[in-house]
Amino acid sequence: DSGVTQTPKHLITATGQRVTLRCSPRSGDLSVYWYQQSLDQGLQFLIQYYNGEERAKGNILERFSAQQFPDLHSELNLSSLELGDSALYFCASSPGRGEIADYNEQFFGPGTRLTVL
Amino acid sequence: GQNIDQPTEMTATEGAIVQINCTYQTSGFNGLFWYQQHAGEAPTFLSYNVLDGLEEKGRFSSFLSRSKGYSYLLLKELQMKDSASYLCAVRDAHRDSNYQLIWGAGTKLIIKP
Repeated sequence: DSGVTQTPKHLITATGQRVTLRCSPRSGDLSVYWYQQSLDQGLQFLIQYYNGEERAKGNILERFSAQQFPDLHSELNLSSLELGDSALYFCASSPGRGEIADYNEQFFGPGTRLTVL
Repeated sequence: GQNIDQPTEMTATEGAIVQINCTYQTSGFNGLFWYQQHAGEAPTFLSYNVLDGLEEKGRFSSFLSRSKGYSYLLLKELQMKDSASYLCAVRDAHRDSNYQLIWGAGTKLIIKP
């Protein structure tokens, strides 16, 4: 158990809908990262937040957005869902902001499996 | 561009040794990570190399050559539970990207009795 929690574990929805995925980082971790992993694909970095502020953006679609709240939990919002959005969505956390001196090991949550029908 | 290459799939026998290679071409380098991921589960950290050489941790070892853009993960005394995907990730060295991890597609390791 990494200490990172994600809800829900599974989500089934229809095209065009909107969903929200939730993540709570490990106690004391200030950075939260979101990743997408499609079937048999590698991890695609979406976005990072550090202490409530957006820190870095990866391959995140405009239909997707995220935020980190004062209690450090984070939410990933996916809207106008398409069949291709079906994937495992992982949240990871780390202690630092990701500066060059940081060790930056990331601890992953169990993921949310999103199925768009 | 940024590119990380790993073999897609490897097969090995229980009790044997296997080496999983990772080569990278990135615009900057600030460390290389290996993660293990069982099917449908979260990746878990295995090792971190930032200097050249071999890091040993129990049955797993990881090697890095920065001049060659090359790393390998060595798994000894293979067990059935080692069947998983092994992900290589390079930490970018650019402040603009916030030193993000660039991930390889992973190597699926199949262990046979």
